[in-house]
Amino acid sequence: GQSLEQPSEVTAVEGAIVQINCTYQTSGFYGLSWYQQHDGGAPTFLSYNGLDGLEETGRFSSFLSRSDSYGYLLLQELQMKDSASYFCAVKSGNTPLVFGKGTRLSVIA
Amino acid sequence: KAGVTQTPRYLIKTRGQQVTLSCSPISGHRSVSWYQQTPGQGLQFLFEYFSETQRNKGNFPGRFSGRQFSNSRSEMNVSTLELGDSALYLCASSASTDTQYFGPGTRLTVL
Repeated sequence: GQSLEQPSEVTAVEGAIVQINCTYQTSGFYGLSWYQQHDGGAPTFLSYNGLDGLEETGRFSSFLSRSDSYGYLLLQELQMKDSASYFCAVKSGNTPLVFGKGTRLSVIA
Repeated sequence: KAGVTQTPRYLIKTRGQQVTLSCSPISGHRSVSWYQQTPGQGLQFLFEYFSETQRNKGNFPGRFSGRQFSNSRSEMNVSTLELGDSALYLCASSASTDTQYFGPGTRLTVL
């Protein structure tokens, strides 16, 4: 089967940098995605890594190491509006996207 | 382009009843997936449809069913509702296997 592990909660200070880790177990791995979900809202796509390395999109970056079955989402210059839940998701073979249980990020002043 | 729409947004039912939820994907997207989200459990995959065919099914009882129409719109049905079915039901459409675009969800409360 497939499984993903990510921390349940993270707290960080406004303006700081935070890293949310995700480890996974799966076969036929294609790629790792990250989604953001604000309270009461729908998940929205942030990034996708199909190859090893770092993908940067503005203040957000995502990293993948296929050999370590590990990835992370890096958020820089944290803003209060970044307070949300962040989900990693794995795509493997012909199976549907499998999501982790999410990391609730709280940004404090 | 209009986003994914789901109706109704909120629903209250009692145990034993059945419910049908509707999802209209982004225009041109042929894949529609359904997820159940409950506090602390993340997004649990229900089913995926592509061109009116169920391509994948999650580990849910047979009370949960779905279908997709020729215009890619999709419905899911839950029969004989249980208290534990109370959740946010999310629909997502995609044009590729990499990115899912989610609708606002239907909040189902079973009393």
